Amino acid sequence: KQEVTQIPAALSVPEGENLVLNCSFTDSAIYNLQWFRQDPGKGLTSLLLIQSSQREQTSGRLNASLDKSSGRSTLYIAASQPGDSATYLCAVNRDDKIIFGKGTRLHILP
Amino acid sequence: NAGVTQTPKFRVLKTGQSMTLLCAQDMNHEYMYWYRQDPGMGLRLIHYSVGEGTTAKGEVPDGYNVSRLKKQNFLLGLESAAPSQTSVYFCASTKYAASSYNEQFFGPGTRLTVL
Repeated sequence: KQEVTQIPAALSVPEGENLVLNCSFTDSAIYNLQWFRQDPGKGLTSLLLIQSSQREQTSGRLNASLDKSSGRSTLYIAASQPGDSATYLCAVNRDDKIIFGKGTRLHILP
Repeated sequence: NAGVTQTPKFRVLKTGQSMTLLCAQDMNHEYMYWYRQDPGMGLRLIHYSVGEGTTAKGEVPDGYNVSRLKKQNFLLGLESAAPSQTSVYFCASTKYAASSYNEQFFGPGTRLTVL
């Protein structure tokens, strides 16, 4: 059974710092991995999709990497801003289902 | 494109009442999903559909029914609501499944309280 884990559950970082969020999964036979952002009381917004054949994807200050063999993905946020404060979730796609981690709640300190 | 929309946004029910949540997508996606999100539990899949006229059970299907009579709509029904069904419900859709190109799009959510 595929399990997705995100550690830490919560993280506070001073503004301007670079940071890394972690996601691990138990079954490497995935089609892709997706990172989402969720603001309080809101839905999920897709940030980056990494296909199984790719190693990384970049969008602005965000860079996501994927190492299927080790079952790990990281989301790198450069020059963090207070507006980056949100919960970040990763999800892996296998067969008909998409399995989510429980998320990392990020707080950027002004 | 409106993307994925959900109706209603908020609802309060009494135990035993019934209701239907509507999800609609205008992206011609084949796959649609219903999740519930609870504190400390993350997102859990309730039911999903791989195409018009099909439905399948997810991780937590008990107490819910679904229908996909039209490709663009996916309905989630609660026949007899219970307090344990108090949650935020999200609908999502994808164009493909079992594919590297499969990107999931989410609706804004429905906040349901059962008293």
